[in-house]
This record gives sequence, C-alpha cells and structure tokens, in this order.
Amino acid sequence: GAVVSQHPSRVICKSGTSVKIECRSLDFQATTMFWYRQFPKQSLMLMATSNEGSKATYEQGVEKDKFLINHASLTLSTLTVTSAHPEDSSFYICSAQTVGAVLNQPQHFGDGTRLSIL
Amino acid sequence: SQQGEEDPQALSIQEGENATMNCSYKTSINNLQWYRQNSGRGLVHLILIRSNEREKHSGRLRVTLDTSKKSSSLLITASRAADTASYFCATVFEMDSSYKLIFGSGTRLLVRP
Repeated sequence: GAVVSQHPSRVICKSGTSVKIECRSLDFQATTMFWYRQFPKQSLMLMATSNEGSKATYEQGVEKDKFLINHASLTLSTLTVTSAHPEDSSFYICSAQTVGAVLNQPQHFGDGTRLSIL
Repeated sequence: SQQGEEDPQALSIQEGENATMNCSYKTSINNLQWYRQNSGRGLVHLILIRSNEREKHSGRLRVTLDTSKKSSSLLITASRAADTASYFCATVFEMDSSYKLIFGSGTRLLVRP
C-alpha cells in the first residue's frame, strides 16, 4: 500500500520550455505532498509543501513563479518548471502523506523525475 | 541550515560485513527516520524511531538514538550486494502547525560481492 506514482521519469527538453511533473497517490488520499530537488551525490532539499485546495508553501530561496505547484485533488499534485534553463536540470522527487497523518508517520516517495535542459 | 550531517559520506565494505552509518542533527526532535535510495530512484522508508526510544530493530537493520548527543546510527548486519544504496536520516521539523522532513547529507554505501 501507500504507492506514489511520479510522471514522467525522465524529461529532456530545450531551454525555455515549461515542464510539468505529476505526483499521484495511487491507493490513498494525500492532503499534503512535498516537492524535493536533488543534485548528484547530494541530499534532498525541500522546495515546497503542497496542500490540497490551498496555496503551496515555498522554502526560502525557491522562486514561486518559477516552480508552480498545483494540488487540485487529494491524489494529485503537479510541479511546473516554467521557462526551464540548464541550471534547472536536476532530479525532482515528490512525496505524500496520508490524510490525517501526523508527524510520527513516514512519507511515501515517488520514483523521481530526472530533468535535463539542453 | 537545518540539515543534519551524516558520516561517513561514503562507505565500501565486503559482502557479509556490517555497515554502520551515523547521523547528527541540530534541533530537538519528535522522531528520526531512516530512508534508503537506490541510484536514480525515490526514497524508501526503513525505520522510524521516536524520541523516547533508544533502539529499534527491523530484520538486519538496527537503529539507535541518543537524544542527549543529538545523534543516531543505522547498522546493517551481514550486508549484501543488494544493500548498495544511499542512506539518509531525516528529522521532522515543525513550524506553524505544519511539518516537514529535513534530510541529512546521506551515506553512499557500496557492498562488494
């Protein structure tokens, strides 16, 4: 149980393109989803917390207009990298928590999206 | 930075040996979690240890927690080549009634067959 699907797994596109990444909870409802960014051989850095039906909460230093987050339902959150540039190339990972989950429960992660901007 | 530190950054051992990874964190915690990441994949939850617990086991995994030293360790016994992965500790950071995970820097484990 508690499966999170992330799509696409790999994107290669030209500079200036906007890219949308989807994160779905397949067998549970998630009021909260998280978006992380990970550079090679480094740890995960939280970008934003996505709350169903409300605006996302962005971490310091993350551009809201650059990384658009939409969490329109209890099973889907999307991250759109707008006008992507080579420096946006990275591994993006989402995670989700079940409805009513408190801090003593783990997060469930998608398999990540490797974004390469040429 | 809220991020914790892990050591070693990289560890290479022979199959059958034990692997120990350490994690230090900065703030008081409710719990500490360990995750595993295979190369190019998402994270898989391994163990959650609460702040009032000192040790926890799951199969070949053993986690200890010392809140006085703000540190935790993950021990993998009788390692296998399939244990090759990156391992991260994570603590829950609470602010304004919301919670988020803060990950340590990670340990890259290589188990040689």
